[in-house]
Amino acid sequence: DSGVTQTPKHLITATGQRVTLRCSPRSGDLSVYWYQQSLDQGLQFLIQYYNGEERAKGNILERFSAQQFPDLHSELNLSSLELGDSALYFCASSVTGGDNEQFFGPGTRLTVL
Amino acid sequence: DAKTTQPNSMESNEEEPVHLPCNHSTISGTDYIHWYRQLPSQGPEYVIHGLTSNVNNRMASLAIAEDRKSSTLILHRATLRDAAVYYCILYPSVTFGGGTRVLVKP
Repeated sequence: DSGVTQTPKHLITATGQRVTLRCSPRSGDLSVYWYQQSLDQGLQFLIQYYNGEERAKGNILERFSAQQFPDLHSELNLSSLELGDSALYFCASSVTGGDNEQFFGPGTRLTVL
Repeated sequence: DAKTTQPNSMESNEEEPVHLPCNHSTISGTDYIHWYRQLPSQGPEYVIHGLTSNVNNRMASLAIAEDRKSSTLILHRATLRDAAVYYCILYPSVTFGGGTRVLVKP
């Protein structure tokens, strides 16, 4: 158990819908990262937040957005869902950033039908 | 886009060492070199990381080239439980590629 929790574990929805994925970092970790892993692709970095502020952006679509709240939990919002958005979404946390190890959560499996 | 380059796959025999290379020629001076592995149906897990000097821990060793443009993860004695996809990731730039799938033969 990495100490990072993600909810829900599984999510099944329809095209065009909007969903919210939640991540609670390890206690004391200020940095949260979001990643997407599709079936036929490797890990893709989406976005990083540090202490409530956006710090780095990867290949995040405009239909996706994220935020980190004062209690440091983070939410990833996915809207106008398409079939291709079906994937595993991982959240990771670290104390600060580059010089600390990342702890990955178990992931949320999103299925868009 | 900058990314790390790793071989797609490598095979090893059980109990033998595994050397996993990673090229990161565009690494910045502030980037740390991290290695993570992802076992089937699990989230990635931390293996090791370093900045300039070689690093050792109970899981593996990390050898970093003097110019920092490449690194090698060394699993000293591969076991069947080491079969996974290994990712070389640079932080804080979050630069990485497709990972190396390691197959361990009994």
